[in-house]
Amino acid sequence: DIQMTQSPSTLSASVGDRVTITCRASQSISNWLAWYQQKPGKAPNLLIFKTSGLESEVPSRFSGSGSGTEFTLTISSLQPDDFATYYCQQYNTSPTFGQGTKVEIK
Amino acid sequence: EVQLVESGGGLVQPGGSLRISCAASGFSFSTYWMTWVRQAPGKGLEWVANIKKDGSEKFYVDSVKGRFTISRDNAKNSLYLQMNSLRAEDTAVYYCARASIFATWAPFDYWGQGTLVTVSS
Repeated sequence: DIQMTQSPSTLSASVGDRVTITCRASQSISNWLAWYQQKPGKAPNLLIFKTSGLESEVPSRFSGSGSGTEFTLTISSLQPDDFATYYCQQYNTSPTFGQGTKVEIK
Repeated sequence: EVQLVESGGGLVQPGGSLRISCAASGFSFSTYWMTWVRQAPGKGLEWVANIKKDGSEKFYVDSVKGRFTISRDNAKNSLYLQMNSLRAEDTAVYYCARASIFATWAPFDYWGQGTLVTVSS
């Protein structure tokens, strides 16, 4: 199985901050990586597919980059609605998720 | 509007069985791969199983192989997960989700609200 490791596990930030979350794969996954946002008690919401593709209706302040084994999710200017937990997911083979990054209010 | 609605969760004893369901609407169910993803309380996401649009291919995470069976009824727009020999570590919210592209492995663009399965004596 491909292991996905996110960092940091928790991130404290303020509204307006630029936020970056990193996801590393235990082996190359090409660009088969997605990012999700999850709020407490809710299902995950797909933000980014194929490393950098923005899902429909997702704000443009979200962006993704990377290839091979290292990937990043960037929020250019953090908004109140963005405080949540973020997960990366590889789908090069049977899907595996990172352990999550909680973005909390500083 | 795409909707996925899970049902059938509940409390079951270790070693017991449970079948959970997912009713789909608002899209052409029979043309999409479908999947189950679970989340243990306070933990991260874990892919459990997926099934091809016609049910001819199925894949499982190692920890449930031989115990869980994914199936679908395209005439009823429904997805199922039969869970046998349940263990405490199977306790989780189980989400039904749709694969966003027509491929074996894909991101998931629509999710249900989840159904809680609790395995405890």
